[in-house]
Amino acid sequence: GENVEQHPSTLSVQEGDSAVIKCTYSDSASNYFPWYKQELGKRPQLIIDIRSNVGEKKDQRIAVTLNKTAKHFSLHITETQPEDSAVYFCAAVPGGGGNKLTFGTGTQLKVEL
Amino acid sequence: GAVVSQHPSWVICKSGTSVKIECRSLDFQATTMFWYRQFPKQSLMLMATSNEGSKATYEQGVEKDKFLINHASLTLSTLTVTSAHPEDSSFYICSARDPSGYEQFFGPGTRLTVL
Repeated sequence: GENVEQHPSTLSVQEGDSAVIKCTYSDSASNYFPWYKQELGKRPQLIIDIRSNVGEKKDQRIAVTLNKTAKHFSLHITETQPEDSAVYFCAAVPGGGGNKLTFGTGTQLKVEL
Repeated sequence: GAVVSQHPSWVICKSGTSVKIECRSLDFQATTMFWYRQFPKQSLMLMATSNEGSKATYEQGVEKDKFLINHASLTLSTLTVTSAHPEDSSFYICSARDPSGYEQFFGPGTRLTVL
């Protein structure tokens, strides 16, 4: 089955700096890669996603890049703000149907003033 | 976006009792729903895929007789934790896929505490 690894597990940045979180996946047939932000005790919220036919996608301060050959994808947050502090999860949906999400292990992002 | 609700939001029960958690898609029909469990400071782990009108598909290591799933309609799936024990205490979250695309919508989660 699919295996998704995520790094780093914790990330501390100063307000205004950029943050980058990286994930790798094992199933070369995976075709959908969402990123979620989860605040304590709340549901995961989709912040951006990318499909396997696209290499990069951007939405304001958030961007995702996908390298299918290397089987990695990354989340980039620019101009970080304290409200960006949360746990971020990457995920992958394997090819072959089913739409099951396999999550990465999570990154605790702390944006310091 | 689509809305998924979950009930109850939290429950405390005694060891040995059963607890039922409901997951509803409020404004769309979901032939497939997913149940996840999340322990503190850990990731979401898929427990099972709930299929409307048929048996659920369980992930390896998840006991189907302990975690009973029923998906009797296109808008409702239930998870029953039978004979709950303290080690079943966790945050249980359901999701349903948007039938028109790839995105999954998550319920708000249920915090289960077994005493």
